[in-house]
Amino acid sequence: NAGVTQTPKFQVLKTGQSMTLQCAQDMNHNSMYWYRQDPGMGLRLIYYSASEGTTDKGEVPNGYNVSRLNKREFSLRLESAAPSQTSVYFCASSSKPGFTEAFFGQGTRLTVV
Amino acid sequence: GESVGLHLPTLSVQEGDNSIINCAYSNSASDYFIWYKQESGKGPQFIIDIRSNMDKRQGQRVTVLLNKTVKHLSLQIAATQPGDSAVYFCADTNAGKSTFGDGTTLTVKP
Repeated sequence: NAGVTQTPKFQVLKTGQSMTLQCAQDMNHNSMYWYRQDPGMGLRLIYYSASEGTTDKGEVPNGYNVSRLNKREFSLRLESAAPSQTSVYFCASSSKPGFTEAFFGQGTRLTVV
Repeated sequence: GESVGLHLPTLSVQEGDNSIINCAYSNSASDYFIWYKQESGKGPQFIIDIRSNMDKRQGQRVTVLLNKTVKHLSLQIAATQPGDSAVYFCADTNAGKSTFGDGTTLTVKP
């Protein structure tokens, strides 16, 4: 099993450009998450989807949108990238929200210049 | 606001020694805690978890202790090995959402 797969692994954007980060999981998990990790810091929740068809804001949602395309896929979109969005983005999934561990992808390293 | 923090950003230990990584949390409503390990260039990986109705839980070479009175969590790694070198995060979960601390970088000296 691949687990959680993120694409792309690296991306450089110019300020104002848009892009979508893709995430897919093959573990039949109900819940999926998007986090960002800045240097020397922990992960901060951007958006999450407790189950297919639902999405909710996390700690730092401004400047992002998400789509839970189906049970497997959860995408993160930056409509107008800003240098402050330079970060490493992690997608994760879990069987249910709470009382279960999350499984993480390898991350997308995004630089906005 | 609520936060989860680790006491020390870095910890250096000798191979074979025991390691203790500490974490303080502030959300008294947290009901589930996880320790993750993150190696360079990779996503976090689950190590061990504990529910708020427990004080201690043991895994293979790892033990997590929870003190709800002082809102403190610790991860003990027995006989630390070079492969344990990584960043360790604690995370508390409340209402299905996890809050991560900033991480402790563990370096194991041969």
